[in-house]
Amino acid sequence: EVVMTQSPATLSVSPGERATLSCRASQNIRNYYLAWYQQKPGQAPSLLISGASNRATGIPARFSGSGSGTEFTLTISSLQSEDFAVYYCQQYSDWPLTFGGGTKVEVK
Amino acid sequence: QVQLVESGGGVVQPGRSLRLSCAASGFTFSSYAMHWVRQTPGKGLEWVAVISYDESSQFYTDSVKGRFTISRDNSQNTLYLQMNSLRAEDTAIYYCARDPKSGYVIYNWFDPWGQGTLVTVSS
Repeated sequence: EVVMTQSPATLSVSPGERATLSCRASQNIRNYYLAWYQQKPGQAPSLLISGASNRATGIPARFSGSGSGTEFTLTISSLQSEDFAVYYCQQYSDWPLTFGGGTKVEVK
Repeated sequence: QVQLVESGGGVVQPGRSLRLSCAASGFTFSSYAMHWVRQTPGKGLEWVAVISYDESSQFYTDSVKGRFTISRDNSQNTLYLQMNSLRAEDTAIYYCARDPKSGYVIYNWFDPWGQGTLVTVSS
């Protein structure tokens, strides 16, 4: 199976600063088949980005995704208070569908 | 608005069975593939199974093959997960999630998710 590795596990950022989250796949992800989700405490995950860089409906432009192959990045350009959460990447290039272990973005 | 509401979780002994349900509303349920995804503190998020809009296709992660069955009742707008021979490692929050687009193609990302139902397998 495709193993997804996210780094760092925890990212401490001040509000207004930029956050860069990494997601690495153990094998090539074809056709940019990579999604990002945000999960807040006590809530289900919610979709941020699909196709590596396509924001879901209603997602602010401060969220951007990039990358290809085995290396992907989620960037939050200027962190707002509501952005402190856990972020997961997920590949849908191959079965079984797999997730990364998550990056917790916390207040510095 | 689109809503997915899971039910059926609880505490169950190892080796026993449990059936989860997911009631869908706010969209044409019969047009979308549907997934089950589970989450544990230790293993994180794990995709469990998917079923096509018309039940013609189902896929499972290896750890549940032969034990879990995904099904749906399009007349009742409800998704199911029948879980047999439960193990301690099946303990998790189980989410149902919709495939993002309607139709024959299964896109395999998840939008939206339900709020989840907790399954605890313990003697």
